[in-house]
Amino acid sequence: QQQVKQSPQSLIVQKGGISIINCAYENTAFDYFPWYQQFPGKGPALLIAIRPDVSEKKEGRFTISFNKSAKQFSLHIMDSQPGDSATYFCAAYNNAGNMLTFGGGTRLMVKP
Amino acid sequence: EAEVAQSPRYKITEKSQAVAFWCDPISGHATLYWYRQILGQGPELLVQFQDESVVDDSQLPKDRFSAERLKGVDSTLKIQPAELGDSAMYLCASQDSYSTDTQYFGPGTRLTVL
Repeated sequence: QQQVKQSPQSLIVQKGGISIINCAYENTAFDYFPWYQQFPGKGPALLIAIRPDVSEKKEGRFTISFNKSAKQFSLHIMDSQPGDSATYFCAAYNNAGNMLTFGGGTRLMVKP
Repeated sequence: EAEVAQSPRYKITEKSQAVAFWCDPISGHATLYWYRQILGQGPELLVQFQDESVVDDSQLPKDRFSAERLKGVDSTLKIQPAELGDSAMYLCASQDSYSTDTQYFGPGTRLTVL
């Protein structure tokens, strides 16, 4: 059962543009929502995370928007750069069981 | 900055052979996870340890996979016998579960079964 759905599967953005990746979840027990960035041949690295008590969190060019009632959250990458080209995974964490459930991933390509 | 260490980074084996992967978590992290990541998909949990105890191994194919964390520090994941469908990236992650919800991932072991 896929509890976290991510879209799109792939995304091409011009340098300087905005990249937007969306995720939706089903389990209301999730209470922590991280985004991971993964380069080919590497393990996922934490990029930014949010808790459901806030609607937005910004760190540099990366912003998470969170809609608790819709059970949706999204990652916005402002001023996208070629170095941002990677696969991005949203995830949801269930504190009761220390369980992290990943979305299917979005492969982002930023064209120079 | 402390990191999760994994070895080997790459492993090629023939089906029916045994393989083993090693993980050394960030010092002090009591919780350790093994994930399997098939190319183009997100990581899926295989097993979770809290110190030396297994917390969740419901997704571990126990007929061929085993995992241990004898002293509650480093961990080994074994596959015997390996099958073609086991080709994937095997990721280890650790967490200081008493203070944070963040899991830190190692670089992974890329397994190819021929």
